[in-house]
Amino acid sequence: NAGVTQTPKFQVLKTGQSMTLQCAQDMNHNSMYWYRQDPGMGLRLIYYSASEGTTDKGEVPNGYNVSRLNKREFSLRLESAAPSQTSVYFCASSEFLAGATYNEQFFGPGTRLTVL
Amino acid sequence: RKEVEQDPGPFNVPEGATVAFNCTYSNSASQSFFWYRQDCRKEPKLLMSVYSSGNEDGRFTAQLNRASQYISLLIRDSKLSDSATYLCVVNGAQSGNTGKLIFGQGTTLQVKP
Repeated sequence: NAGVTQTPKFQVLKTGQSMTLQCAQDMNHNSMYWYRQDPGMGLRLIYYSASEGTTDKGEVPNGYNVSRLNKREFSLRLESAAPSQTSVYFCASSEFLAGATYNEQFFGPGTRLTVL
Repeated sequence: RKEVEQDPGPFNVPEGATVAFNCTYSNSASQSFFWYRQDCRKEPKLLMSVYSSGNEDGRFTAQLNRASQYISLLIRDSKLSDSATYLCVVNGAQSGNTGKLIFGQGTTLQVKP
């Protein structure tokens, strides 16, 4: 039982390049999330998927797109990377159902992205 | 104003000390409250949920004051292994159908020998 896995662990891009961050969970969770973490800013939600087939914007969606490929996988795409997207990216999942109040999220190990 | 505010610290304490972290949140409609722990260069992990009546897990005690919109975490008999960043987490505004969580920026604890 691997929990939440993310690839790659590290990535360096040049401005304007594109890439996709991969995330998969094996806990049969309904909801999945993408966050970025910057010094002094805490974790900020980029996009989330409340269930397979749905995606919604979070607090900082500009410059990103997502795909909920199936119940297990949720990818994050940077179409044209910018230095402001240098950050640590975390994927998370939870067994959250609409209307519930409790929502423990389980995180992947993160992807450290540098955009030059 | 941030939705969840914490003193970033760092808090430097000797082994065996008792240390308390506080957190305030702005949305009075929030219903779920958590403390997550994040080790250096690692992912956040749930430390404990925070219940209205207060709850304890070994050396850790969490308290919630809904009237003041205030959450606390008390660590007794600090260990070197408690050194980490502690994130205060609240379910977001109008998040009843989405499960969105709002994270504070974290409070850093360093326990010294």
